[in-house]
Amino acid sequence: SQQGEEDPQALSIQEGENATMNCSYKTSINNLQWYRQNSGRGLVHLILIRSNEREKHSGRLRVTLDTSKKSSSLLITASRAADTASYFCATDVGVWDFGNEKLTFGTGTRLTIIP
Amino acid sequence: DTEVTQTPKHLVMGMTNKKSLKCEQHMGHRAMYWYKQKAKKPPELMFVYSYEKLSINESVPSRFSPECPNSSLLNLHLHALQPEDSALYLCASSQDRDRVRDEKLFFGSGTQLSVL
Repeated sequence: SQQGEEDPQALSIQEGENATMNCSYKTSINNLQWYRQNSGRGLVHLILIRSNEREKHSGRLRVTLDTSKKSSSLLITASRAADTASYFCATDVGVWDFGNEKLTFGTGTRLTIIP
Repeated sequence: DTEVTQTPKHLVMGMTNKKSLKCEQHMGHRAMYWYKQKAKKPPELMFVYSYEKLSINESVPSRFSPECPNSSLLNLHLHALQPEDSALYLCASSQDRDRVRDEKLFFGSGTQLSVL
């Protein structure tokens, strides 16, 4: 079963608007990461938030983490056409040992920015 | 160089063929991964190599055989695949700092595999 469920599955917004996508997970985590994937190709790491952090910023990205609710959100501000992609949350629940971590991806949100 | 390079980008093979997917990185990363991704689904972990040793096998069928010849290379040997094995195969690597992991993964662009 999936560790992460993302909501919504698809989102279309006008360029310049903000986009928010949510991720819920089931078990305790070491950290939660967000990745972007363009057109079914490789994934690109966006941001990582650790289990003892509540909010993190990187450029136009803002990530929050609520471990009590087992949920995270990714906010992209002032969206651009180039932000059109699929966005995946990924949870790290592995043993704290190099090479034995398992990064499990959520179901993904397909974001379309309308110019 | 912050790239993970995968070859080939596309591969079509019959069910009786033997083929190999290749992955290369020159970032000094000591963990390398194979993921499988079906269309409109998230990537699913197949194998993890740590310091050239297989550390995780997610109960992958034996028709998929991974190999890590050295710290920069990762192969996935394919034999007697089924049409349902058609998918995007992604390679990734992660960094080692004195054996303390950096959890961020660097992905290649993937190999789109079609099994006929």
